[in-house]
Amino acid sequence: ETGVTQTPRHLVMGMTNKKSLKCEQHLGHNAMYWYKQSAKKPLELMFVYNFKEQTENNSVPSRFSPECPNSSHLFLHLHTLQPEDSALYLCASSQGAVRGLGTDTQYFGPGTRLTVL
Amino acid sequence: GENVEQHPSTLSVQEGDSAVIKCTYSDSASNYFPWYKQELGKGPQLIIDIRSNVGEKKDQRIAVTLNKTAKHFSLHITETQPEDSAVYFCAASIEKGSTLGRLYFGRGTQLTVWP
Repeated sequence: ETGVTQTPRHLVMGMTNKKSLKCEQHLGHNAMYWYKQSAKKPLELMFVYNFKEQTENNSVPSRFSPECPNSSHLFLHLHTLQPEDSALYLCASSQGAVRGLGTDTQYFGPGTRLTVL
Repeated sequence: GENVEQHPSTLSVQEGDSAVIKCTYSDSASNYFPWYKQELGKGPQLIIDIRSNVGEKKDQRIAVTLNKTAKHFSLHITETQPEDSAVYFCAASIEKGSTLGRLYFGRGTQLTVWP
């Protein structure tokens, strides 16, 4: 295993529901990421946190709301989603840096398979 | 921003044969190129990476080559085995001193190795 866990592994929700995805890393990393993986499309970066500060929001709709309470945990709060939001949501972590360093190796969790009805 | 193209989208080989996956990138400033393997039901796992100060890197049966002039890089798997069957993703990024780098992924290649 990579040291990055995600729960739940599968989630089915209606468009009016509110749910949260959880990610936890046991690698001592300081940067965490949310990606969306849809069929036939490249992985899409959604959010980046470095030392608990959000450093990137890749024009993600407000129905997705990230939360990073500490360097080990990352949440993605979901509300009033659309069927086109159905996808695999992947969390990743990397060493990160205080003043940015460029790219370091990202370690991915197994993902949450989300289905919006 | 960076645009990464990956080919082929599917690749079938016989066990023991070699497999080659190719990627091109658009931003000449990109200088970090990782490759990920994603097995069914799992997240992508880094298998090898290369930085632009080298032209080739090898790790057992896996090798990656980089041509900076042509802006393309390739993954080579020799002596393929059924357990190599997975989706492979290439990515490109820029190592900057002031910002955390962002990975731009290709669309992936489904590799199937037949016994």
